Amino acid sequence: DAGITQSPRHKVTETGTPVTLRCHQTENHRYMYWYRQDPGHGLRLIHYSYGVKDTDKGEVSDGYSVSRSKTEDFLLTLESATSSQTSVYFCAISDRAGGDNEQFFGPGTRLTVL
Amino acid sequence: KQEVTQIPAALSVPEGENLVLNCSFTDSAIYNLQWFRQDPGKGLTSLLLIQSSQREQTSGRLNASLDKSSGRSTLYIAASQPGDSATYLCAVKTSYDKVIFGPGTSLSVIP
Repeated sequence: DAGITQSPRHKVTETGTPVTLRCHQTENHRYMYWYRQDPGHGLRLIHYSYGVKDTDKGEVSDGYSVSRSKTEDFLLTLESATSSQTSVYFCAISDRAGGDNEQFFGPGTRLTVL
Repeated sequence: KQEVTQIPAALSVPEGENLVLNCSFTDSAIYNLQWFRQDPGKGLTSLLLIQSSQREQTSGRLNASLDKSSGRSTLYIAASQPGDSATYLCAVKTSYDKVIFGPGTSLSVIP
């Protein structure tokens, strides 16, 4: 299994509070991704990173920001959590772009916003 | 806009049966297609990656095919086992930064 950990694994928070989720990899892969998974919507890309300090928006980026100050860490921040952000969040990594871009996923973080 | 569908949504088969899961996509301009399995409450495990120039990939009892012109991929599982019970997702990479996932097929293999 690819060395990807996510923390915390479970979190319950209240509307309006800031929340930061962490993804940590030991594979030295260049690309890192944050997805959310919701019933009826499947997996959707929030943000991704193609290198240290290089990030870009995905399909559902509103209300989320990211940072990557080291190769191994990719942080996802909800500045002011809302109930619509209750979801399971997955981090993924890959070491190539283009057609050879096999993605490996972390175990997920279940976030509940009350 | 690329859309990915998977049929059937759920499948229940007796142990030992061979089975086929289907994935369809609307735009044939893809970089690759990847099959994953997801166990309840867990992350996604990569099963097979087929690049756009390839027709199929095999790993153990799994064989995935890709027909870009018709927008279809199939995942063939031979001699199914109860441990194969999981949700299977396909995902197509459509550009440098976009991967579109299908909704998944929930497979149950009955002992």
